[in-house]
Amino acid sequence: DTAVSQTPKYLVTQMGNDKSIKCEQNLGHDTMYWYKQDSKKFLKIMFSYNNKELIINETVPNRFSPKSPDKAHLNLHINSLELGDSAVYFCASSRTSGYFGELFFGEGSRLTVL
Amino acid sequence: DQQVKQNSPSLSVQEGRISILNCDYTNSMFDYFLWYKKYPAEGPTFLISISSIKDKNEDGRFTVFLNKSAKHLSLHIVPSQPGDSAVYFCAASQGGSEKLVFGKGTKLTVNP
Repeated sequence: DTAVSQTPKYLVTQMGNDKSIKCEQNLGHDTMYWYKQDSKKFLKIMFSYNNKELIINETVPNRFSPKSPDKAHLNLHINSLELGDSAVYFCASSRTSGYFGELFFGEGSRLTVL
Repeated sequence: DQQVKQNSPSLSVQEGRISILNCDYTNSMFDYFLWYKKYPAEGPTFLISISSIKDKNEDGRFTVFLNKSAKHLSLHIVPSQPGDSAVYFCAASQGGSEKLVFGKGTKLTVNP
């Protein structure tokens, strides 16, 4: 029973398309995140949500739109995909208190834009 | 601007010996540091952390050392086991922020 699950795990698409990645956590955590690991292997935070409220929004193009229908789900929608969006996207979750910094990551979704 | 640097992309160690992974940071406001471990095709998993009020934290075979004056931390694994072979990420945060800043990772290979 996977704690943080993402779908799809692999996504290959053409430039200009719109795609979504879904994330669900069954840990009862209040906070969820999207991280991006680019070709240089850096893991960088994109967004975080706490109880469906946007907390962190890094300098991410507004083509990226996160949506949190409830605190167990955080989806990422990407419009007008560009070559530079190719990366591995990781969803993560954490408790708001008591486990500061300890993130539970999903397996990642590898997006390839052709 | 890399605030967290792991200058060794890879490290190879014999089973049973000590593995030492290093991490440097530039932001003196960072006050909480973590190590994550990542196997291929999996997400990173939390390994160990240390607050800036401490200089050492130990958990079984894993010990993290923090040298604030040098802005340097290291992860010691002893004894190293083949199952420890993975990519290790150093991460840091400041002031209670939930935003973690990660290094590029060091790939550790433990040879039997």
